[in-house]
Amino acid sequence: DGGITQSPKYLFRKEGQNVTLSCEQNLNHDAMYWYRQDPGQGLRLIYYSQIVNDFQKGDIAEGYSVSREKKESFPLTVTSAQKNPTAFYLCASSVGTSRAYEQFFGPGTRLTVL
Amino acid sequence: QQPVQSPQAVILREGEDAVINCSSSKALYSVHWYRQKHGEAPVFLMILLKGGEQKGHDKISASFNEKKQQSSLYLTASQLSYSGTYFCGTEIQGTYKYIFGTGTRLKVLA
Repeated sequence: DGGITQSPKYLFRKEGQNVTLSCEQNLNHDAMYWYRQDPGQGLRLIYYSQIVNDFQKGDIAEGYSVSREKKESFPLTVTSAQKNPTAFYLCASSVGTSRAYEQFFGPGTRLTVL
Repeated sequence: QQPVQSPQAVILREGEDAVINCSSSKALYSVHWYRQKHGEAPVFLMILLKGGEQKGHDKISASFNEKKQQSSLYLTASQLSYSGTYFCGTEIQGTYKYIFGTGTRLKVLA
């Protein structure tokens, strides 16, 4: 079955530590996205990538980093520079430009900073 | 820049209808609609690609007025399963950047 997987489902981090969230898709999609969602709020774009080895900052990229070395993988690193990282993180992918194609979402990772 | 949705929240009884609006200050090429249940990922409902386009499946439909830069989602004869938060989404013209609307929380009561 094709889809998007995110791991882990729950993640706990101590202050000052970097942590990497995994996102893998086997849909052969070109575009991938990372969103952050705070309780009761909407989805805010962190980073997006339209093609391998290329990615752009979204609205809230500070304190985050990504890589796109393979088409199927788009890991997100939450660095110690992110002051308030506790949130629900969602990864998504689409065939191509989201102007014409829907986004498919992974199940999300809930990150808590202790 | 973020599309604004109205109302922010709505409570319905089963069988009642609802309309959710999405308005943008910038031109829209296309509009997506998603529904998110609490603690879960958003689920795609439909995409409208052209101004004037209307779509629907089951009892959920949508319209897209490109000139007015707005879209509306219509839920008729609502069911308990319609409860959740609805988001419109769009790609900013000239970029591949995607943004979601402010969201509308909908609760259907028995």
